[in-house]
Amino acid sequence: DTEVTQTPKHLVMGMTNKKSLKCEQHMGHRAMYWYKQKAKKPPELMFVYSYEKLSINESVPSRFSPECPNSSLLNLHLHALQPEDSALYLCASSQDRGQPQHFGDGTRLSIL
Amino acid sequence: QKEVEQNSGPLSVPEGAIASLNCTYSDRGSQSFFWYRQYSGKSPELIMSIYSNGDKEDGRFTAQLNKASQYVSLLIRDSQPSDSATYLCAGKMDSNYQLIWGAGTKLIIKP
Repeated sequence: DTEVTQTPKHLVMGMTNKKSLKCEQHMGHRAMYWYKQKAKKPPELMFVYSYEKLSINESVPSRFSPECPNSSLLNLHLHALQPEDSALYLCASSQDRGQPQHFGDGTRLSIL
Repeated sequence: QKEVEQNSGPLSVPEGAIASLNCTYSDRGSQSFFWYRQYSGKSPELIMSIYSNGDKEDGRFTAQLNKASQYVSLLIRDSQPSDSATYLCAGKMDSNYQLIWGAGTKLIIKP
């Protein structure tokens, strides 16, 4: 069991759908992250929120839209995704930026 | 380009032996390093953090950092089949606090 909870665990969607991935942590961490991971590759950073403000956006296509409603929650809104966006999407949190990151179990996303 | 490099493996080690995983990095400004274990189909799990030169031990795991030579290693003593996983090394770049990830080393412990 991890202290970072991600929902859903699996998601299959068509290219015209809109869906959201959710992440929640109750460790009082002030930095939260979204990563994308393809098979046999390391995690690839997408977004970083620090104190609920977006601090890093790694040139991610606009079809991915992050949101941080409060210090415990992080969402990733998905719209008009492409088949190449199929991957494991990981949320992580840390006490502050630069501190060890703790990952959720991930959402396995498949785009039809 | 700041990089963290790992041999992708697979590294095959007999059960009960010491598994040695290595990582080199290019940025002398890197201060902190983290080792993550990732089982197939699962998310990365933090197993060790190391911030200063020398060794840090936690149970069967020892992390070693040598800033002069710019390498980090992870030793796993008394290797068990359950240690079979991909081990990811990540370095924190002080300039922007991001983690730079190595490609990961696949470790196989043979019974």
